[in-house]
Amino acid sequence: GQSLEQPSEVTAVEGAIVQINCTYQTSGFYGLSWYQQHDGGAPTFLSYNGLDGLEETGRFSSFLSRSDSYGYLLLQELQMKDSASYFCAVLYSSASKIIFGSGTRLSIRP
Amino acid sequence: GAVVSQHPSRVICKSGTSVKIECRSLDFQATTMFWYRQFPKQSLMLMATSNEGSKATYEQGVEKDKFLINHASLTLSTLTVTSAHPEDSSFYICSATDSPRGSQHFGDGTRLSIL
Repeated sequence: GQSLEQPSEVTAVEGAIVQINCTYQTSGFYGLSWYQQHDGGAPTFLSYNGLDGLEETGRFSSFLSRSDSYGYLLLQELQMKDSASYFCAVLYSSASKIIFGSGTRLSIRP
Repeated sequence: GAVVSQHPSRVICKSGTSVKIECRSLDFQATTMFWYRQFPKQSLMLMATSNEGSKATYEQGVEKDKFLINHASLTLSTLTVTSAHPEDSSFYICSATDSPRGSQHFGDGTRLSIL
């Protein structure tokens, strides 16, 4: 079967850096994505890693190690608006469908 | 670009009613659309994968006759919750992609409340 694990909650201070880890067990793995979801809203795409290494997009970076079945999302210079749930999601090679992790609720305090 | 419109955003109706939710890709042709359900404080659960002109592929445990999916064109997919009951109350979200293994673009979701 397919499974993803990520911490349920993380708390950080405004201006700091936080890393959200994700481990997965799956067959047909193609890539790892990260999505942000604010309360009451729909998910928004943050980043995608198809190959090992680090992808940087502004304050957000994402890392993948296929050999370790592990990835992380790194958020820098945290702002209050970054308080949200963050989901890692595995993209499968067939049918281009993705399966979401359980989500990490990030709380930012001043 | 890559905007997905989902309508309606909120539905409140009586038990036994059928509810149709539309998902449209506004500025691209969606080869594949996906339907998810999300209960409060939980993850998104994939319900079905929909390809234009063919039958939807449902995930295990999702009732095909309960959740009817139609993907009549490259820009429109609909989800009909038939004879809805209170346990069907949830947040339903669609997404669309324009290429295999492309990133998915999500609609704003539909909050369905069955009384």
